[in-house]
Amino acid sequence: QVQLQESGPGLVKPSETLSLTCTVSGYSISSDSYWGWIRQAPGLGLEWIGTIHHSGSTDYNSPLKSRVTMLVDTSKNQFSLKIRSVIAADTAVFYCVRAPNADYADYWGQGILVTVSS
Amino acid sequence: EIAMTQSPASLSGSPGEKITLSCRASQSVSSSLVWYQQKPGQAPRPLIYDASTRATGVPARFSGSGSGTEFTLTISGLQSEDFAVYYCQQYHNWFSFGQGTKLEIK
Repeated sequence: QVQLQESGPGLVKPSETLSLTCTVSGYSISSDSYWGWIRQAPGLGLEWIGTIHHSGSTDYNSPLKSRVTMLVDTSKNQFSLKIRSVIAADTAVFYCVRAPNADYADYWGQGILVTVSS
Repeated sequence: EIAMTQSPASLSGSPGEKITLSCRASQSVSSSLVWYQQKPGQAPRPLIYDASTRATGVPARFSGSGSGTEFTLTISGLQSEDFAVYYCQQYHNWFSFGQGTKLEIK
C-alpha cells in the first residue's frame, strides 16, 4: 500500500521560504514513477505546483517557476518542495502525490496546512 | 494554459437518483482527463481516469465519458457517501483543474 506523508512548518512568515518534505512508504521512490505537489487555498480549488522524477528531472507550473524548487532523496525515500519569497496568497493545504506517468495523482498524502503570516 | 470549466457549481440530489456532472476544456485534451472526489477534510480521491476508466476500488455506479473538450461524470444511484465535491483535471498539456461541483443532499 503506497502511503505519502507531508511534514514541515505550519506557519511561515511573508518573504521567507516554505519548505515541505514528503515521505513515501510502501513503494520505492526510485521506481519508474513521478511525484508531485498540489496545493489548495482555503475554500478554493486545486493547483498543481510541479512534478519530479526519481532521476531528479522537474517540471514546474509556469506562474510559480521562479520561486519553486523540488528535490528527491532516494536514500530516504523522500521528495521535497521549497517556495521562496512567500506571500499571504501562498497559504494553502499542500498535498504530495504520486503521478505514475506524470498524468494524474493516484495516491495522495493527507495534506498539510501552511499559513503565511507574520 | 488549458482552462477547465465545470457545471453546475452545485447540485442537489436524492439517494437513488442518477446525476450527471459536466466538465469542459478550453481546447482539446483528447482523453487525458481524470475525475476526483473530495470529502471535507480529506484529500481528493481519483474516480475515473483517461476519461472513462474507473480507478481501482471505485464502485460501478460511477462512470465517465467524453473526449476532446466535453466530458461527463455520471453517478447512477446516488448513495449517502457520494455527497462531496467533484473535480475534473486534464493532463494533456501540463495540469489544470476545474473549479469543482459540490453535490449536496436534497
